[in-house]
Amino acid sequence: GENVEQHPSTLSVQEGDSAVIKCTYSDSASNYFPWYKQELGKGPQLIIDIRSNVGEKKDQRIAVTLNKTAKHFSLHITETQPEDSAVYFCAADSWGKLQFGAGTQVVVTP
Amino acid sequence: DVKVTQSSRYLVKRTGEKVFLECVQDMDHENMFWYRQDPGLGLRLIYFSYDVKMKEKGDIPEGYSVSREKKERFSLILESASTNQTSMYLCASQQGDRSNQPQHFGDGTRLSIL
Repeated sequence: GENVEQHPSTLSVQEGDSAVIKCTYSDSASNYFPWYKQELGKGPQLIIDIRSNVGEKKDQRIAVTLNKTAKHFSLHITETQPEDSAVYFCAADSWGKLQFGAGTQVVVTP
Repeated sequence: DVKVTQSSRYLVKRTGEKVFLECVQDMDHENMFWYRQDPGLGLRLIYFSYDVKMKEKGDIPEGYSVSREKKERFSLILESASTNQTSMYLCASQQGDRSNQPQHFGDGTRLSIL
């Protein structure tokens, strides 16, 4: 089955700097890759997703890149703000089921 | 906006009890999922359902069962609760066609088994 690895597990950045989270997956049939943000006491919220026919997608300060050959995808947050502090999860869809990474705790310090 | 509602935010039960966790979605989604979330392990799929009366095992189904009598409601059942089932439980729903569609999550039930 699908296996998703996510790095780093924790990330501390200065406000205004960029944050990058990287994920690798094992199933070459995976074709959908969502990213979720989970704030304290809440469920994961979808922030951006990418499908395998696209190499990059951007939504304001958030961008995701996908390299299908190397089987890795990344989340980029630019101009980080304190409200970006949360746990971020990557996931890969394999035969209709999502396999999640272990999560990255992002802390943005003022 | 999709609304997935889990009936309890916090629940405390005793070992051996039968526990029901309820989840309701309001978007007429065909697919529903139950996950447990533990630190350092991400979200792990327990059971899922693609239609009423239908259920399929996920990656960690042992000790759990589910019920889907109506399209909007998906229940997770701990047949005989044990302390290693203390966890955060998350329900999600998804529009049909099974892939390439986002899953929408509820806010979770934090379950403690004493």
